[in-house]
Amino acid sequence: SAVISQKPSRDICQRGTSLTIQCQVDSQVTMMFWYRQQPGQSLTLIATANQGSEATYESGFVIDKFPISRPNLTFSTLTVSNMSPEDSSIYLCSAGQGVSYEQYFGPGTRLTVT
Amino acid sequence: AQSVTQLDSQVPVFEEAPVELRCNYSSSVSVYLFWYVQYPNQGLQLLLKYLSGSTLVKGINGFEAEFNKSQTSFHLRKPSVHISDTAEYFCAVSGSNFGNEKLTFGTGTRLTIIP
Repeated sequence: SAVISQKPSRDICQRGTSLTIQCQVDSQVTMMFWYRQQPGQSLTLIATANQGSEATYESGFVIDKFPISRPNLTFSTLTVSNMSPEDSSIYLCSAGQGVSYEQYFGPGTRLTVT
Repeated sequence: AQSVTQLDSQVPVFEEAPVELRCNYSSSVSVYLFWYVQYPNQGLQLLLKYLSGSTLVKGINGFEAEFNKSQTSFHLRKPSVHISDTAEYFCAVSGSNFGNEKLTFGTGTRLTIIP
Protein backbone atom coordinates (compact mmCIF):
# COMPACT_ATOMS: atom_id res chain seq x y z
CA SER A 1 0.00 0.00 0.00
CA ALA A 2 1.00 3.65 -0.14
CA VAL A 3 0.42 6.53 2.25
CA ILE A 4 -0.31 9.85 0.59
CA SER A 5 -0.20 13.30 2.08
CA GLN A 6 -1.44 16.55 0.60
CA LYS A 7 -0.68 20.15 1.38
CA PRO A 8 -2.49 22.36 2.11
CA SER A 9 -5.41 20.52 3.65
CA ARG A 10 -7.64 23.51 3.01
CA ASP A 11 -7.40 27.06 1.76
CA ILE A 12 -9.56 30.05 1.07
CA CYS A 13 -8.40 32.01 -1.97
CA GLN A 14 -9.35 35.17 -3.78
CA ARG A 15 -10.78 35.11 -7.27
CA GLY A 16 -8.09 35.45 -9.94
CA THR A 17 -5.26 33.99 -7.88
CA SER A 18 -3.58 30.59 -8.18
CA LEU A 19 -3.00 27.79 -5.70
CA THR A 20 -0.51 24.95 -5.92
CA ILE A 21 -1.40 21.70 -4.19
CA GLN A 22 1.34 19.27 -3.28
CA CYS A 23 1.01 15.51 -3.15
CA GLN A 24 3.65 13.32 -1.51
CA VAL A 25 3.71 9.52 -1.58
CA ASP A 26 5.72 7.46 0.90
CA SER A 27 6.93 5.06 -1.79
CA GLN A 28 7.77 5.18 -5.47
CA VAL A 29 4.73 4.87 -7.69
CA THR A 30 4.27 4.65 -11.41
CA MET A 31 1.16 6.66 -11.85
CA MET A 32 -0.40 9.58 -10.02
CA PHE A 33 -3.83 10.98 -10.62
CA TRP A 34 -5.60 14.22 -9.76
CA TYR A 35 -9.35 14.28 -9.11
CA ARG A 36 -11.86 17.00 -8.38
CA GLN A 37 -14.84 16.44 -6.11
CA GLN A 38 -17.30 19.30 -6.27
CA PRO A 39 -19.64 19.77 -3.31
CA GLY A 40 -21.95 16.79 -2.95
CA GLN A 41 -20.65 15.24 -6.16
CA SER A 42 -18.60 12.27 -7.19
CA LEU A 43 -14.97 12.33 -8.21
CA THR A 44 -13.97 13.48 -11.67
CA LEU A 45 -10.52 12.75 -13.03
CA ILE A 46 -8.61 15.86 -14.02
CA ALA A 47 -5.41 14.30 -15.32
CA THR A 48 -2.97 11.43 -15.10
CA ALA A 49 0.64 12.25 -14.28
CA ASN A 50 3.46 9.86 -15.11
CA GLN A 51 6.99 10.70 -14.16
CA GLY A 52 9.05 11.98 -17.03
CA SER A 53 6.19 12.77 -19.35
CA GLU A 54 3.54 15.39 -19.85
CA ALA A 55 0.34 14.94 -17.90
CA THR A 56 -2.64 13.55 -19.79
CA TYR A 57 -5.77 15.64 -19.30
CA GLU A 58 -9.35 14.48 -19.42
CA SER A 59 -11.97 16.13 -21.54
CA GLY A 60 -12.97 19.47 -20.09
CA PHE A 61 -9.67 20.10 -18.32
CA VAL A 62 -6.76 22.01 -19.87
CA ILE A 63 -3.14 22.46 -18.96
CA ASP A 64 -3.36 26.26 -18.79
CA LYS A 65 -5.96 26.03 -16.06
CA PHE A 66 -4.57 23.00 -14.20
CA PRO A 67 -0.81 22.72 -14.80
CA ILE A 68 0.68 19.60 -13.25
CA SER A 69 4.24 18.69 -12.41
CA ARG A 70 5.65 15.22 -11.71
CA PRO A 71 9.36 15.69 -11.02
CA ASN A 72 9.98 12.25 -9.48
CA LEU A 73 8.32 8.99 -8.51
CA THR A 74 7.02 10.20 -5.14
CA PHE A 75 5.79 13.74 -5.73
CA SER A 76 3.38 15.75 -7.85
CA THR A 77 1.79 19.18 -7.81
CA LEU A 78 -1.45 20.52 -9.23
CA THR A 79 -1.94 24.24 -9.73
CA VAL A 80 -5.39 25.72 -9.98
CA SER A 81 -4.87 28.91 -11.98
CA ASN A 82 -6.88 32.12 -12.26
CA MET A 83 -9.43 30.78 -9.82
CA SER A 84 -13.13 31.50 -9.83
CA PRO A 85 -15.82 30.46 -7.33
CA GLU A 86 -16.65 27.52 -9.63
CA ASP A 87 -13.27 26.04 -8.74
CA SER A 88 -14.36 25.58 -5.14
CA SER A 89 -13.98 21.84 -4.66
CA ILE A 90 -12.03 19.15 -2.94
CA TYR A 91 -8.95 18.18 -4.94
CA LEU A 92 -7.62 14.70 -4.34
CA CYS A 93 -4.51 13.04 -5.56
CA SER A 94 -4.09 9.32 -5.83
CA ALA A 95 -1.29 6.96 -6.68
CA GLY A 96 -1.26 3.59 -8.38
CA GLN A 97 1.33 0.93 -8.91
CA GLY A 98 -0.25 -0.39 -12.06
CA VAL A 99 0.32 -4.02 -11.14
CA SER A 100 -2.49 -4.25 -8.61
CA TYR A 101 -4.65 -1.68 -10.36
CA GLU A 102 -5.35 -0.27 -6.92
CA GLN A 103 -5.26 3.42 -6.22
CA TYR A 104 -4.53 5.00 -2.88
CA PHE A 105 -5.96 8.40 -2.12
CA GLY A 106 -4.72 11.37 -0.23
CA PRO A 107 -6.94 13.17 2.30
CA GLY A 108 -7.79 15.92 -0.17
CA THR A 109 -7.40 19.68 -0.33
CA ARG A 110 -10.57 21.63 0.35
CA LEU A 111 -10.48 24.80 -1.73
CA THR A 112 -12.87 27.70 -1.35
CA VAL A 113 -12.68 30.59 -3.81
CA THR A 114 -14.28 33.87 -2.81
CA ALA B 1 -14.97 3.96 -22.23
CA GLN B 2 -16.51 2.86 -18.98
CA SER B 3 -19.37 4.19 -16.91
CA VAL B 4 -20.80 3.40 -13.50
CA THR B 5 -24.34 3.78 -12.20
CA GLN B 6 -25.15 3.77 -8.53
CA LEU B 7 -28.88 3.48 -8.39
CA ASP B 8 -29.43 4.81 -4.88
CA SER B 9 -28.18 8.22 -3.85
CA GLN B 10 -29.17 7.70 -0.22
CA VAL B 11 -29.81 4.55 1.79
CA PRO B 12 -31.05 4.73 5.40
CA VAL B 13 -30.68 1.51 7.37
CA PHE B 14 -31.35 0.60 10.97
CA GLU B 15 -28.37 -0.45 13.02
CA GLU B 16 -27.66 -4.20 12.89
CA ALA B 17 -29.83 -4.61 9.77
CA PRO B 18 -28.37 -5.86 6.48
CA VAL B 19 -27.62 -3.50 3.62
CA GLU B 20 -27.03 -3.73 -0.11
CA LEU B 21 -25.66 -0.85 -2.16
CA ARG B 22 -26.19 -1.31 -5.85
CA CYS B 23 -23.71 -0.69 -8.63
CA ASN B 24 -23.98 -1.35 -12.35
CA TYR B 25 -21.30 -0.70 -14.92
CA SER B 26 -20.90 -0.60 -18.65
CA SER B 27 -17.73 -1.14 -20.60
CA SER B 28 -16.53 -2.28 -23.99
CA VAL B 29 -13.46 -3.93 -22.45
CA SER B 30 -12.71 -6.18 -19.51
CA VAL B 31 -12.82 -4.27 -16.26
CA TYR B 32 -11.68 -4.23 -12.72
CA LEU B 33 -14.21 -3.12 -10.10
CA PHE B 34 -13.76 -1.33 -6.81
CA TRP B 35 -15.72 -0.03 -3.87
CA TYR B 36 -14.37 2.93 -1.94
CA VAL B 37 -15.67 4.51 1.26
CA GLN B 38 -15.37 8.17 2.19
CA TYR B 39 -15.95 9.12 5.79
CA PRO B 40 -16.90 12.73 6.52
CA ASN B 41 -14.08 15.15 5.74
CA GLN B 42 -11.70 12.37 4.79
CA GLY B 43 -10.18 10.92 1.65
CA LEU B 44 -11.18 7.67 0.01
CA GLN B 45 -10.39 4.27 1.45
CA LEU B 46 -10.51 1.08 -0.57
CA LEU B 47 -13.11 -1.38 0.75
CA LEU B 48 -12.59 -4.17 -1.76
CA LYS B 49 -11.76 -4.91 -5.36
CA TYR B 50 -12.52 -7.46 -8.04
CA LEU B 51 -9.75 -8.24 -10.48
CA SER B 52 -10.40 -11.86 -11.43
CA GLY B 53 -11.21 -15.26 -9.96
CA SER B 54 -13.97 -15.78 -7.43
CA THR B 55 -16.90 -13.51 -8.09
CA LEU B 56 -17.51 -13.04 -4.37
CA VAL B 57 -14.93 -10.74 -2.87
CA LYS B 58 -14.54 -9.89 0.77
CA GLY B 59 -13.23 -6.58 1.98
CA ILE B 60 -12.56 -4.67 5.14
CA ASN B 61 -15.07 -3.89 7.88
CA GLY B 62 -17.22 -6.93 7.07
CA PHE B 63 -18.21 -5.80 3.58
CA GLU B 64 -18.41 -8.09 0.57
CA ALA B 65 -19.42 -7.69 -3.06
CA GLU B 66 -20.42 -10.01 -5.84
CA PHE B 67 -19.36 -9.54 -9.44
CA ASN B 68 -22.06 -10.56 -11.88
CA LYS B 69 -20.84 -10.32 -15.44
CA SER B 70 -24.16 -11.19 -17.09
CA GLN B 71 -25.92 -8.44 -15.17
CA THR B 72 -22.90 -6.10 -15.25
CA SER B 73 -23.32 -5.52 -11.56
CA PHE B 74 -21.07 -5.29 -8.52
CA HIS B 75 -23.36 -4.83 -5.52
CA LEU B 76 -21.91 -4.20 -2.07
CA ARG B 77 -23.37 -5.97 0.96
CA LYS B 78 -22.98 -6.15 4.69
CA PRO B 79 -25.05 -8.51 6.85
CA SER B 80 -25.21 -6.23 9.89
CA VAL B 81 -24.34 -2.54 9.84
CA HIS B 82 -22.94 -0.40 12.60
CA ILE B 83 -23.20 3.29 13.33
CA SER B 84 -19.59 3.67 12.22
CA ASP B 85 -20.57 2.57 8.69
CA THR B 86 -22.23 5.93 8.09
CA ALA B 87 -20.33 7.29 5.09
CA GLU B 88 -20.40 7.87 1.35
CA TYR B 89 -19.73 4.78 -0.76
CA PHE B 90 -18.39 4.97 -4.30
CA CYS B 91 -18.30 2.23 -6.88
CA ALA B 92 -15.55 2.58 -9.48
CA VAL B 93 -14.32 0.80 -12.58
CA SER B 94 -11.07 0.75 -14.50
CA GLY B 95 -9.91 -1.00 -17.62
CA SER B 96 -8.03 -4.24 -17.07
CA ASN B 97 -5.26 -3.55 -19.54
CA PHE B 98 -2.04 -1.83 -18.63
CA GLY B 99 -2.18 1.86 -19.36
CA ASN B 100 -5.88 2.05 -18.75
CA GLU B 101 -5.89 2.22 -14.99
CA LYS B 102 -7.78 5.46 -14.53
CA LEU B 103 -10.84 5.10 -12.36
CA THR B 104 -14.35 6.10 -13.36
CA PHE B 105 -16.55 6.66 -10.34
CA GLY B 106 -20.25 6.39 -9.78
CA THR B 107 -22.16 9.24 -8.20
CA GLY B 108 -21.98 7.71 -4.75
CA THR B 109 -24.44 6.35 -2.20
CA ARG B 110 -24.79 7.99 1.16
CA LEU B 111 -25.36 5.30 3.77
CA THR B 112 -27.00 6.53 6.96
CA ILE B 113 -27.29 4.19 9.92
CA ILE B 114 -30.27 4.80 12.16
CA PRO B 115 -29.75 3.89 15.82
